[in-house]
Amino acid sequence: QKEVEQNSGPLSVPEGAIASLNCTYSDRVSQSFFWYRQYSGKSPELIMSIYSNGDKEDGRFTAQLNKASQYVSLLIRDSQPSDSATYLCAVIPWEGGYQKVTFGTGTKLQVIP
Amino acid sequence: DVKVTQSSRYLVKRTGEKVFLECVQDMDHENMFWYRQDPGLGLRLIYFSYDVKMKEKGDIPEGYSVSREKKERFSLILESASTNQTSMYLCASRSGSNYNEQFFGPGTRLTVL
Repeated sequence: QKEVEQNSGPLSVPEGAIASLNCTYSDRVSQSFFWYRQYSGKSPELIMSIYSNGDKEDGRFTAQLNKASQYVSLLIRDSQPSDSATYLCAVIPWEGGYQKVTFGTGTKLQVIP
Repeated sequence: DVKVTQSSRYLVKRTGEKVFLECVQDMDHENMFWYRQDPGLGLRLIYFSYDVKMKEKGDIPEGYSVSREKKERFSLILESASTNQTSMYLCASRSGSNYNEQFFGPGTRLTVL
């Protein structure tokens, strides 16, 4: 079982709709969760971090964390064509010692004008 | 803003050459990482360093070595480049706390002919 799993997509949504991106993780005691956006040919850019159960909002982005179910999601409201990118979910498992970020393989989002 | 820079955006080398990729961060982060990213395989950790002169192997260290002589600088070395090392190489840095985000450099697209 992969440590961090994401549907590779592509997820296609019309402009103005809500895009919902999901991620599940295997390490029950993981503490830190991140969403990155990566445009084609560019490096990942951090857009959200979340550490506690519940929702965290930042502009058009909302991250949701449910530790009991071991999933984290990202909602993008009023999706724009400029949101078209691959979104990477990242988790820091709690293994003791030096913690490495574990990345999912990403979900490709296409926003259709 | 955290800034992570990499020495080259694009690099073309020949098989058997020794290749140096350099990464510099300006936020006094303890941890630095080298990844490679290939289509369909996601981000794979090559090496990381949690302190000056300290290094740990990641998931795919074969064919690579690293050097960290100063806190702000982390170098990736391909001792004898091979065509299967053609990839996007990404450097990242993060402070010591597990609640802190990881930031990426712009990436180096390496082609080995």
